[in-house]
Amino acid sequence: KNQVEQSPQSLIILEGKNCTLQCNYTVSPFSNLRWYKQDTGRGPVSLTIMTFSENTKSNGRYTATLDADTKQSSLHITASQLSDSASYICVVSAVRTGGSYIPTFGRGTSLIVHP
Amino acid sequence: DGGITQSPKYLFRKEGQNVTLSCEQNLNHDAMYWYRQDPGQGLRLIYYSQIVNDFQKGDIAEGYSVSREKKESFPLTVTSAQKNPTAFYLCASTWGRNQPQHFGDGTRLSIL
Repeated sequence: KNQVEQSPQSLIILEGKNCTLQCNYTVSPFSNLRWYKQDTGRGPVSLTIMTFSENTKSNGRYTATLDADTKQSSLHITASQLSDSASYICVVSAVRTGGSYIPTFGRGTSLIVHP
Repeated sequence: DGGITQSPKYLFRKEGQNVTLSCEQNLNHDAMYWYRQDPGQGLRLIYYSQIVNDFQKGDIAEGYSVSREKKESFPLTVTSAQKNPTAFYLCASTWGRNQPQHFGDGTRLSIL
């Protein structure tokens, strides 16, 4: 069964500090891995997307890494800001017969940034 | 501005009633998706459509129905057969396999 596990479940940090969120998956056949940011009561917004051949992708203060051999990914946030407080969701997609791809979502890491 | 619009933002359903959630996109995306989000759980796929007039069941399709008569529109009907419909419903679209999904801002459905 395809699964995506995220850790920690929640995290509290001080403004200006860095943090790293983890994602482990058992999805196959692997198509891509994405990180999303979801503010409370809103839809998720894409941060990064990586395919099998990519092992790092940056988007401003967000840097994602992918180790396809160990099936692990991380999202590193640098110099956190109050606006980074949100849920961060790891999504891994598998390719199905016919070419469609189906994403499997992790439960998310809830990040709170305190001033 | 291009994007996905979901309406209404809040919806209440009475016992035995069917309700329809709207999802419209002007991004010219072929693929559209419906997800359900419950507290403490990851998003779960209800239905998806890769092309007009075609759609496939996701992991939790029972009690739901969809249509895809136009590229821009992918409405979701929550039928009376769905016994636990209270949740946050999200619609998404994408134009390619390795492209990000664009999400609407969701509809929160509650039972009266």
